[in-house]
Parts: sequence; C-alpha cells; structure tokens
Amino acid sequence: ETGVTQTPRHLVMGMTNKKSLKCEQHLGHNAMYWYKQSAKKPLELMFVYSLEERVENNSVPSRFSPECPNSSHLFLHLHTLQPEDSALYLCASSQGVKWRQGPSYEQYFGPGTRLTVT
Amino acid sequence: QKEVEQDPGPLSVPEGAIVSLNCTYSNSAFQYFMWYRQYSRKGPELLMYTYSSGNKEDGRFTAQVDKSSKYISLFIRDSQPSDSATYLCAITSGSARQLTFGSGTQLTVLP
Repeated sequence: ETGVTQTPRHLVMGMTNKKSLKCEQHLGHNAMYWYKQSAKKPLELMFVYSLEERVENNSVPSRFSPECPNSSHLFLHLHTLQPEDSALYLCASSQGVKWRQGPSYEQYFGPGTRLTVT
Repeated sequence: QKEVEQDPGPLSVPEGAIVSLNCTYSNSAFQYFMWYRQYSRKGPELLMYTYSSGNKEDGRFTAQVDKSSKYISLFIRDSQPSDSATYLCAITSGSARQLTFGSGTQLTVLP
C-alpha cells in the first residue's frame, strides 16, 4: 500500500448505528487530519492530530469521535448521526503542523469514505 | 464574508484552450497559497503552491498571487481532457495549523 488509504470507501448507516472510519498513511508523516466535504461547500477541517496528540477540534459535534493510536493510523468513530452528516469524509496527512516540522500546506489525501445517513 | 471565495463553475472549455481559475480572500495575514486538484472519486492532490506574491510556473500550469488585491489565479495552458477535475484553492498563514479551502471549481475540458 502507498500513500493514504481509507476504509470503507462507501458506508450507509442508520441514525442509531455506530460505525468507524479508518485511515492509514504509509508516508512516514506525523500529522493526520479529518475533513468533511459536502457538495458545493469548502472542505471543512474537523480534527488535526500531531504526533498522536489532538491539536485542533473545530467545534465538531460529539457524535464524531476521533482516535489516533499511532502516527500511521487515524479513526473516526460515528454514532447517532443525522442525515445532514452525509458527506465525503477525507483523511489527510502531512509532515507536520508547525513550520519547523515541515510544511503542513502539503497535505496528502486519501480517496475518502462516502457516508450516507438514512 | 467568507475567508476564501471561489467561482464554483462549472466551467467547460474545448481542448487546447487557456483556462483561468480564480479565488479571492479576505485575510491579509495569508502568505501561502495552494492549488489542489481533485479527480472524481479521489481525494485532492497538491498541484502547486506559492509563497507571497508573484508567479510560479510548472509545465502548463501557472499560479499567480496578487496580495494587494487578495486575488489568486491558476492558469492552465493547452488544456487537455485529463485536466478535467475540480480545482480547489487553499490558503494559510505561516503560523496556522490548518488550510482554508475554497469551495472548488469544476472544470471539464472537451476533446
């Protein structure tokens, strides 16, 4: 595997289900991100992890719960979602989130998980 | 006012045309300007980045930044059907931990 991988690629879940999205990066990076991409809207940053420590949490509802067990893996745990949470969820990685650690502007994205909440 | 505004398109051009994609931004602290390309059913990939004002060229692609107008552009020369994608501008300051993205412009290059 190369780059950033995400599983599953598609997910349909009911509002009462619990599911998890998985992301794995094979680039040796130490920062990982979760983004939400909805049609005709800008990418919304949800969470940032640097060296397994959460450094950003952009007012995301608690029904989204991230987990970063190591610098290569990132999870997004989902529970009690709403239909408006249907979107493409993208994972990304970069060398660092501070300029001394490397440029965070160069982010490498996975293909995303297309989530539909029914 | 949104931090970054981008024409959503869609934009459709014939093969060989010159394409101009644009974004405007509101925060003068932004210093790093990126263009990402996103093919259908794929994640975005970094195409080009520039620091501060000026032009940067890479093959058929030219990125241009005008900080006085808070305006950034991506030009594609001799456009090809393989350039058909959504183009996202992204901007950040030197100390920020995150990028601010535009909503993307969908481009179709017709053979």
